[in-house]
Amino acid sequence: SQQGEEDPQALSIQEGENATMNCSYKTSINNLQWYRQNSGRGLVHLILIRSNEREKHSGRLRVTLDTSKKSSSLLITASRAADTASYFCATAAYSGAGSYQLTFGKGTKLSVIP
Amino acid sequence: EAGVAQSPRYKIIEKRQSVAFWCNPISGHATLYWYQQILGQGPKLLIQFQNNGVVDDSQLPKDRFSAERLKGVDSTLKIQPAKLEDSAVYLCASSSDSGLDTYNEQFFGPGTRLTVL
Repeated sequence: SQQGEEDPQALSIQEGENATMNCSYKTSINNLQWYRQNSGRGLVHLILIRSNEREKHSGRLRVTLDTSKKSSSLLITASRAADTASYFCATAAYSGAGSYQLTFGKGTKLSVIP
Repeated sequence: EAGVAQSPRYKIIEKRQSVAFWCNPISGHATLYWYQQILGQGPKLLIQFQNNGVVDDSQLPKDRFSAERLKGVDSTLKIQPAKLEDSAVYLCASSSDSGLDTYNEQFFGPGTRLTVL
């Protein structure tokens, strides 16, 4: 089952604008990760935020995590055409089968118009 | 550093045929994962190996899917017999995690796009 649910499903912005994507989940997590997928480079890890962290930055990316609301957001500042891709949040949680599992949402499709 | 390698990149088969996918993880990564990604959805974990042992295969349809990781390096995923609903991209990933935690990122291969007719 897919735990993370991204919102919106699709987002279209002009180059230079900021893009914000949200992710909600249902169970307790160890950490939350964001991945990007495009046809050229496959699925690529962007950033990981642990359950005891509230905010993290990496270049033009800013991720927040609110464990009380079971939600996270990914902000991409000063977007570029090359940011056009699908963005997935993935929650790491104990699977009950002896390990932690990464569960992906359905993704947000971002289009950045030059 | 070489990435995760997968082959073939594309495969078209008829239903009820069998198919196999191969994955070579990043050197030194103990944990290997196979995911299934249906069009419009996120990847779904099928099986997780640590070295050559299975950590989690709870979501693997074992009546038709099988996977192995001999010698704790390369891995193969097989479908026999294939059904129409198996059409998807099959992604292999590896990480330096121990298998008991997911503190680190997973590195994904380019995937194999399977079409079942």
